[in-house]
Amino acid sequence: AQSVSQHNHHVILSEAASLELGCNYSYGGTVNLFWYVQYPGQHLQLLLKYFSGDPLVKGIKGFEAEFIKSKFSFNLRKPSVQWSDTAEYFCAVNAYYGGATNKLIFGTGTLLAVQP
Amino acid sequence: DGGITQSPKYLFRKEGQNVTLSCEQNLNHDAMYWYRQDPGQGLRLIYYSQIVNDFQKGDIAEGYSVSREKKESFPLTVTSAQKNPTAFYLCASSIGDRGAGDTQYFGPGTRLTVL
Repeated sequence: AQSVSQHNHHVILSEAASLELGCNYSYGGTVNLFWYVQYPGQHLQLLLKYFSGDPLVKGIKGFEAEFIKSKFSFNLRKPSVQWSDTAEYFCAVNAYYGGATNKLIFGTGTLLAVQP
Repeated sequence: DGGITQSPKYLFRKEGQNVTLSCEQNLNHDAMYWYRQDPGQGLRLIYYSQIVNDFQKGDIAEGYSVSREKKESFPLTVTSAQKNPTAFYLCASSIGDRGAGDTQYFGPGTRLTVL
């Protein structure tokens, strides 16, 4: 069965520090990859996504992620975090079984707290 | 203003009662989904529907039921058979294009508490 692993459950950073959140998935076929963010009291929003093409994907608010197929990874990065980046971040994978499904498989999430 | 609405925001229920959570979208999306979110477990898929009058079980469908009579609406019923129903429930929708990739958009969620 497909799975998504987010190794960091809680991350605490100071403002201006660099961020990298790990995401690994287990599926050898075609995948679409997503990072979603849930700010306190708000609903889940799409941060960025990878479908095909350039493996380095840029999203909103200065976030980017790199798809490394050989490592089954899709790590999220931001060079300098702000207090407003405090949120929970979810990695998700959409694995294709001959085009039969749109099911998303989510990781368990990473809680990021940025200290001012 | 396009989007996904879920109601109510908070819901309390006594043990043994069925309860229905509402999800409506005006994005003209074909596909709709229900997830539950529990602390430390991420989101888990309960049911999904690729098209009107059709739906499939997700990974944790036991104790839940759905209907998809209209494109815009995908209500979820939490039945008394669901052993641990207290959770945050999220509804999502997507265009439903399976060939070129698809992005799911989420509603604000309903927090269900069973007393």
